[in-house]
Order: sequence, then structure tokens, then C-alpha cells
Amino acid sequence: DADVTQTPRNRITKTGKRIMLECSQTKGHDRMYWYRQDPGLGLRLIYYSFDVKDINKGEISDGYSVSRQAQAKFSLSLESAIPNQTALYFCATSDLSAFRGINSPLHFGNGTRLTVT
Amino acid sequence: RKEVEQDPGPFNVPEGATVAFNCTYSNSASQSFFWYRQDCRKEPKLLMSVYSSGNEDGRFTAQLNRASQYISLLIRDSKLSDSATYLCVVNLWGGSQGNLIFGKGTKLSVKP
Repeated sequence: DADVTQTPRNRITKTGKRIMLECSQTKGHDRMYWYRQDPGLGLRLIYYSFDVKDINKGEISDGYSVSRQAQAKFSLSLESAIPNQTALYFCATSDLSAFRGINSPLHFGNGTRLTVT
Repeated sequence: RKEVEQDPGPFNVPEGATVAFNCTYSNSASQSFFWYRQDCRKEPKLLMSVYSSGNEDGRFTAQLNRASQYISLLIRDSKLSDSATYLCVVNLWGGSQGNLIFGKGTKLSVKP
């Protein structure tokens, strides 16, 4: 089983619909992230959480919200989907290296391909 | 200057060639660095971590030059399976990006 699991893998939805993307992890990491990837734009951070009660906006948080329900779960919601939210979405986890006091590398889920028509 | 910059490529090389990519970063407080490999429509996967001057793993060598603020990735004896996009990631203290800044990636295509 994958360490970082995203559901659904693919989703097609209509403009104005609410949609939730789920992410769960078995790595025991404290830090979780949501990214979107668009051709030519690279990975852009939407939201991140360093702990269960911690939520932080990333580079492109407008139109999105998140919920960190437990250490292992971090969900991303689009309250009213629009076509320019069509993208590949990745969840990722990392930990704080006690030795170096810096982020360990990110571990990514296998992505959710979202299409908004 | 963008925080992390990479030549987007594509780099088209024959099998067996040696190819090198550079990644420059703007924040001198950067603490550590990573190279990820991403295949088309798949998730990025960690290739190498770079904490000090460099790291070597088989055909792959990463080098860090803090004075000039760049890291490089060298691939020797390229294989067809090395075709992918290579992402440079810089780890900062603080900042608004959850501490990790991604470059946009360099595309490599290895031809027979």
C-alpha cells in the first residue's frame, strides 16, 4: 500500500459544484501539503499544515479550503469549482528532521486529476 | 530574481551521454536541497538529497556551490529510462512556502 494515498484519482465535475479531495498517510509525518501542478507553471503550494491544529495559506489559496482532521488526514475542498481549477493535485508529507532541524524530503501521493467543465 | 530557477530544456541527449543541469537559488539562507524526478502525469519522486557540498549515487552526482548559490545534477551514461523532468527543491528557514521552494523543472529526453 502507498504511504500517501489520494482519493479520488480522477474527477470530472461541473462549474459551481463543491468537491473534496482526500489525502491520508501512514508515514507518521506531522507536516502535510497540498500542491497543484499546471503545464509550464510547475508545482504551486495551496495550503500546508505543520500539525493538527495548524493551517497555513500557500501561494495560491484563493478558492480553496483545507481541513486537517487528524495527523494522518488532510483534505482539500473547492467550495465552488471553476474551470481554471482544472489541474493535477498532489498531497505531500514531510517531517522535521530532529538532527538538522529542517524539513525532511517531501513524499508525494500519486495525484488527483481534476477537470472542471 | 526568482527564488529557484532551472533551465526548462528540453535536453535531448543520446544514450550513454553525460548531461548536467543547474539550479540557482536566490536565498542565501537556504539550508538543504533536493533533486526530484517526475515522469509525465506521475508524482515527483526523490532522487537525491544534498545537505553539504554534494552527494553521489551511482550514475547521479549532485553538487552544491553555496558561494554562487547553485546546485547541479550530473547524470553519467544516460539511459532511456532517465527521460523525465527533474525538479530542484530548496529548503528555507521560515517563509510563506512551507519552507520548500520548487523549481519548474528541467525536461530530459534520452534518445536511442
